[in-house]
Amino acid sequence: AQSVSQHNHHVILSEAASLELGCNYSYGGTVNLFWYVQYPGQHLQLLLKYFSGDPLVKGIKGFEAEFIKSKFSFNLRKPSVQWSDTAEYFCAVIEDNNDMRFGAGTRLTVKP
Amino acid sequence: DGGITQSPKYLFRKEGQNVTLSCEQNLNHDAMYWYRQDPGQGLRLIYYSQIVNDFQKGDIAEGYSVSREKKESFPLTVTSAQKNPTAFYLCASSMAVKQPQHFGDGTRLSIL
Repeated sequence: AQSVSQHNHHVILSEAASLELGCNYSYGGTVNLFWYVQYPGQHLQLLLKYFSGDPLVKGIKGFEAEFIKSKFSFNLRKPSVQWSDTAEYFCAVIEDNNDMRFGAGTRLTVKP
Repeated sequence: DGGITQSPKYLFRKEGQNVTLSCEQNLNHDAMYWYRQDPGQGLRLIYYSQIVNDFQKGDIAEGYSVSREKKESFPLTVTSAQKNPTAFYLCASSMAVKQPQHFGDGTRLSIL
């Protein structure tokens, strides 16, 4: 069974700083990749997804992620974070056999 | 409004008792899921269902049972065989298994 690793447990940034959250997975076959976000007091919601095609995908609120197949990575980026980006971020991977995994999550705190 | 309803929000159980968590969706989604969320461990899949009258075990199915008699409903029973049931339980649904998931607000289960 595959695993999904999110390397950073808690990231603290100041507003306007750039963000990159790491996500690595172990499965070598075809995957569908997702980033979900959970804002304080809200339910988990989709940030962006990758199924195929252009490995650079754009999501809501200025977030983007790049799928690098050779590195088994799907890192999340944002050029300039805002206080409202404070949330917990989860990477998720679904294999072609429907096996699915979430990472442990990264808590992002943005200081105003 | 379309969405996923989990009830109750908080649930208390005595040791040795079975308890059933409710999950209802009005999104007309075929696939439904149950996750357990523990601090620092992300979401772990308990069971999922691709279609009515079908369900598959996830990574941590032991001590849990589910049914899928209706498309809208996917109740989870936490049995007395579950050794450590205190956790936050999330229900989700998607159009199909590899598609983005929509999440409910969760049920927090505690052992008295």
